Amino acid sequence: QAVVTQEPSLTVSPGGTVTLTCASSTGTVTSDHFPYWFQQKPGQAPRTLIYDTNDKHSWTPVRFSGSLLRGKAALTLSGAQPEDEADYYCLLSYRGAWVFGGGTKLTVL
Amino acid sequence: QVQLVQSGAEQRKPGDSVKVSCKAYGYDFSGFYMHWVRQAPGQGLEWIGWVNPSSGGTDYADKFQGRVTISRDTPTATAYMELRDLKFEDTGIYYCTRAVRAYWGQGTLVTVSS
Repeated sequence: QAVVTQEPSLTVSPGGTVTLTCASSTGTVTSDHFPYWFQQKPGQAPRTLIYDTNDKHSWTPVRFSGSLLRGKAALTLSGAQPEDEADYYCLLSYRGAWVFGGGTKLTVL
Repeated sequence: QVQLVQSGAEQRKPGDSVKVSCKAYGYDFSGFYMHWVRQAPGQGLEWIGWVNPSSGGTDYADKFQGRVTISRDTPTATAYMELRDLKFEDTGIYYCTRAVRAYWGQGTLVTVSS
């Protein structure tokens, strides 16, 4: 089974920009992995921010964007807000089987 | 709008089984796979498997193969996840998640204790 790797933790300054990445042990991440990004705050269910690499839900703040970057899926936060402090998980689909990354704890400080 | 409503918290003993339900609202239930995901206390997200509500076909993560059954009842737009031979480490929150755009249920806490 594939392993999906994320940065365990990142810190960003308020108003700053940070990029979280999501790598696959099988090689280059492509749109065929349908990359997802989820935000989870303590005591809450995950909330989907990005699906299919770069599509957003109606509730996804404009400051979040998804992309493919140097063989990985990426989530970029531009203009970080205090409320963006959370755990972020990526998900890759391998012919229908889902594999989650271990999550990135994002601190806004 | 799309909404997934899960059944309430469950408490079981080791060796027991548990069956969690997920009722779908606001879309064509048969048109989208339903996935199940687990989160142990303080841990990350773990994929369990999916059901194709149209055909009833399923696929499971290797870790859960033989111990889990995911099913559906199309007339009531409800998906189910049954986990058997429960162990202490099965304690966690179980989520149903619709494929395509990934809508989430509110989660169901399953506690395994003696």
